[in-house]
Amino acid sequence: DSGVTQTPKHLITATGQRVTLRCSPRSGDLSVYWYQQSLDQGLQFLIQYYNGEERAKGNILERFSAQQFPDLHSELNLSSLELGDSALYFCASRVSGEWGEQFFGPGTRLTVL
Amino acid sequence: GQQVMQIPQYQHVQEGEDFTTYCNSSTTLSNIQWYKQRPGGHPVFLIQLVKSGEVKKQKRLTFQFGEAKKNSSLHITATQTTDVGTYFCAARGSTLGRLYFGRGTQLTVWP
Repeated sequence: DSGVTQTPKHLITATGQRVTLRCSPRSGDLSVYWYQQSLDQGLQFLIQYYNGEERAKGNILERFSAQQFPDLHSELNLSSLELGDSALYFCASRVSGEWGEQFFGPGTRLTVL
Repeated sequence: GQQVMQIPQYQHVQEGEDFTTYCNSSTTLSNIQWYKQRPGGHPVFLIQLVKSGEVKKQKRLTFQFGEAKKNSSLHITATQTTDVGTYFCAARGSTLGRLYFGRGTQLTVWP
C-alpha cells in the first residue's frame, strides 16, 4: 500500500460523457502527478500539480483538465469521452515538486463504451 | 522531451534463468529510475541511479547506469515466479518533477 488512494477503482461510461477521477496523495506530499496507461501508448505523463498550482503539463488533451484543492487532493476531469480514452489512470505523489521517487496509487480503470 | 527506449518489450524465461532489460537514450540523462508493475498492480519504485557508471544491487537485482549516462540496465539473477511483472525505466524531464517512462519490459517466468 503506497498511501495514495484513488476513486473510483473502475468506471464504465459512454462516449460523449464526462467523468471525474479523484486522488488523495500520501499524507504530507505536496506534489500530485497524473498518468494514463494504455496498451498502445504505455505510461504517459498528463499533468503535475504542486501545492495547488499546475507545475508541468504533458500529453494532456484539451478535453481533459485537472486541479489540486487546498487539502491537496486532486481531481482529473475527462470530458467528451471517446473510445480511445479507455485506459488505466494513475495518480502519483511525492513530498516535493522535484525529481525523485514517486508513489503511485492503485489506479482507476476507465472503460468508454 | 526526453525519450527513453526500452528493450526487449517481452521476455519469457524459465524459473532460475537470468533476465536483463535495457534502457537507452540518445541524449545524456541526469539520472534514471526503475519501477516494477505487477500484473493488475501499479508501478512501484525500485531504485534511482545518478552517477556515471553507478552499479547498485538489491538482492538478485543489479542496476547499472552507463558511463556516458545514456543507458541503463536491470539484471535479475536466477529469476523466481515472484519477479513476474513489467519493469519500467524512467528518465528525468527538463521540467522539474516530470518523468519520461520507457515502454517497459514484460517479464514472464515459467515455473
